[in-house]
Amino acid sequence: SYVLTQPPSVSVAPGTAARITCEGDNLENKRVHWYQQKPGRAPILVIYSNSDRPSGIPERFSGANSGNTATLSISRLEAGDGADYFCQVWDGFSDHWVFGGGTKLTVL
Amino acid sequence: EVQLVESGGGLEQPGGSLRLSCTASGFTFSYYEMVWVRQAPGKGLEWVAYMSSSLTTIYYADSVKGRFTISRDNARSSMFLQMNSLTADDTAIYYCARDVAGPARAFDVWGQGTMVTVSS
Repeated sequence: SYVLTQPPSVSVAPGTAARITCEGDNLENKRVHWYQQKPGRAPILVIYSNSDRPSGIPERFSGANSGNTATLSISRLEAGDGADYFCQVWDGFSDHWVFGGGTKLTVL
Repeated sequence: EVQLVESGGGLEQPGGSLRLSCTASGFTFSYYEMVWVRQAPGKGLEWVAYMSSSLTTIYYADSVKGRFTISRDNARSSMFLQMNSLTADDTAIYYCARDVAGPARAFDVWGQGTMVTVSS
């Protein structure tokens, strides 16, 4: 089955940029989606199809996908950006959705 | 307001059954494909099941195939998850979510979740 790998944690100072990676075989051939989840809350879609932002998501959130790595970037970090972030793809070979293990973003 | 509300969670013994419900409002439910996603305590997200808008296509995660059954009633804007032969590994928050229209296959609307605990 398809596997997505994320770093368990990322820590960054406020006002700077954070980058969270998601790795998978030939990931550039898939559409990668990113979710933000705060404690006790449901996930929120922040990036879909590699780099598109749903309405209401700040422009500070951006995404890219190349080779085996997709990256979620968050610029001008705010304390409220601290959360767990999950990448996700649809694996058409198995007809399954796959999530990465999640990355805990800490804004120092 | 676009909204999904889950219900039906609770405490069940190993080997028992539960039926979860998801009720939609604020959008035309029959147009959208829907999924169930779960999250064990302190763990990541795990996709569980999918059903197409037309009810003709269903997918299950390997971990639940043969034990869980997804269904929906478009006239009632509702989706269901029948869970049988429950084990401790099924303990999780269960979310229903809407599949974004088109080829993206992302989940753009989520419910608040319902907790399922399997324990003797």
